[in-house]
Amino acid sequence: DAGVIQSPRHEVTEMGQEVTLRCKPISGHDYLFWYRQTMMRGLELLIYFNNNVPIDDSGMPEDRFSAKMPNASFSTLKIQPSEPRDSAVYFCASSLRPRAYEQYFGPGTRLTVT
Amino acid sequence: KQEVTQIPAALSVPEGENLVLNCSFTDSAIYNLQWFRQDPGKGLTSLLLIQSSQREQTSGRLNASLDKSSGRSTLYIAASQPGDSATYLCAVWGNNDMRFGAGTRLTVKP
Repeated sequence: DAGVIQSPRHEVTEMGQEVTLRCKPISGHDYLFWYRQTMMRGLELLIYFNNNVPIDDSGMPEDRFSAKMPNASFSTLKIQPSEPRDSAVYFCASSLRPRAYEQYFGPGTRLTVT
Repeated sequence: KQEVTQIPAALSVPEGENLVLNCSFTDSAIYNLQWFRQDPGKGLTSLLLIQSSQREQTSGRLNASLDKSSGRSTLYIAASQPGDSATYLCAVWGNNDMRFGAGTRLTVKP
């Protein structure tokens, strides 16, 4: 398996623009997670899905953030409108049951909002 | 709210030394604890996963222990090598979420 795939790897956008980050989980994994990493706050769980259904989105910082998982092999994290404070590295991860199995991370998308 | 702390924040050792990284958590109601490695500008690589019912896990030169009652885990690295230089993070899976420590930045000098 190719592992968790994320695109784009780097994104630079202007404040106010819409940003869409994409993730393809490992085949067979039924849990998908979105994380954000910043120097100030470290790694934070934003939202996670089980069988394409959002389970916990309490980490989503604001209504400007939304995530979808239309099928088992694809998820998006959208920020609209983007702000400079959204600049961070966004990671996607997947696993089998997270209580019992490891999470596998993608390479991340480095987002810069100017 | 679960809080995860890693000490020290940074560590520098000469090649060949054995070393211990520490992780503590405030809520012992966890399902598992996972150690990761992160290289600069890269994603996280899973090293070891310890279930709450387990005391330790081993993989090669790495050994992780878990004392759930005291809220502590250690990652032991034997015979350190320059290639071990990275940031090591611990994370706990508790009540439907994953909480990460801030990491320990390890430098192994040749």
